[in-house]
Amino acid sequence: AQSVTQPDIHITVSEGASLELRCNYSYGATPYLFWYVQSPGQGLQLLLKYFSGDTLVQGIKGFEAEFKRSQSSFNLRKPSVHWSDAAEYFCAVGAPMGQKLVFGQGTRLTINP
Amino acid sequence: EAQVTQNPRYLITVTGKKLTVTCSQNMNHEYMSWYRQDPGLGLRQIYYSMNVEVTDKGDVPEGYKVSRKEKRNFPLILESPSPNQTSLYFCASSWQGGQPQHFGDGTRLSIL
Repeated sequence: AQSVTQPDIHITVSEGASLELRCNYSYGATPYLFWYVQSPGQGLQLLLKYFSGDTLVQGIKGFEAEFKRSQSSFNLRKPSVHWSDAAEYFCAVGAPMGQKLVFGQGTRLTINP
Repeated sequence: EAQVTQNPRYLITVTGKKLTVTCSQNMNHEYMSWYRQDPGLGLRQIYYSMNVEVTDKGDVPEGYKVSRKEKRNFPLILESPSPNQTSLYFCASSWQGGQPQHFGDGTRLSIL
């Protein structure tokens, strides 16, 4: 069965610092992997996705993620965070033609000025 | 503008009073899904639909019903709501199963 673990419930970083949010997944074949961001009072917005090919994927808002099959990980990174990046971030795993996405528990990001 | 629209955005109601949360998408997507979001649990899938008249259970379907009579609409029905269904609900759609999903802005339900 598919599962996703985001080990960090809450992370605080200073504005301008680098960021890495961790995501570990369990899936029997090559997964489809996603990162979504949820700002307060809003729905989820897709940041980036990995289907196949280059394991380093670029997304919107300056985010990138790296797929590491050997570690079953898909960590999200940003070199320099902005106050507007404060939000909740969700990692999700799916399958080609799959019926569902399985989401992690989410990581809440707080930015210190 | 491509969007998924949910109504209502907020609802406070009482146990046992039937309610429907509507969801409509304007992208001609085949796939639609309902999720509930609870603190510490992330999003869990309630029901999904691969196309018109094709629906199936997700991970937490108990106490919910859905229908897909038209491609654009996918209402969520709580026939006898209970307090444990108090949650934040999201509708999502994608052009095909497995593809990135577009989410609505959410419906916050409180069942007293």
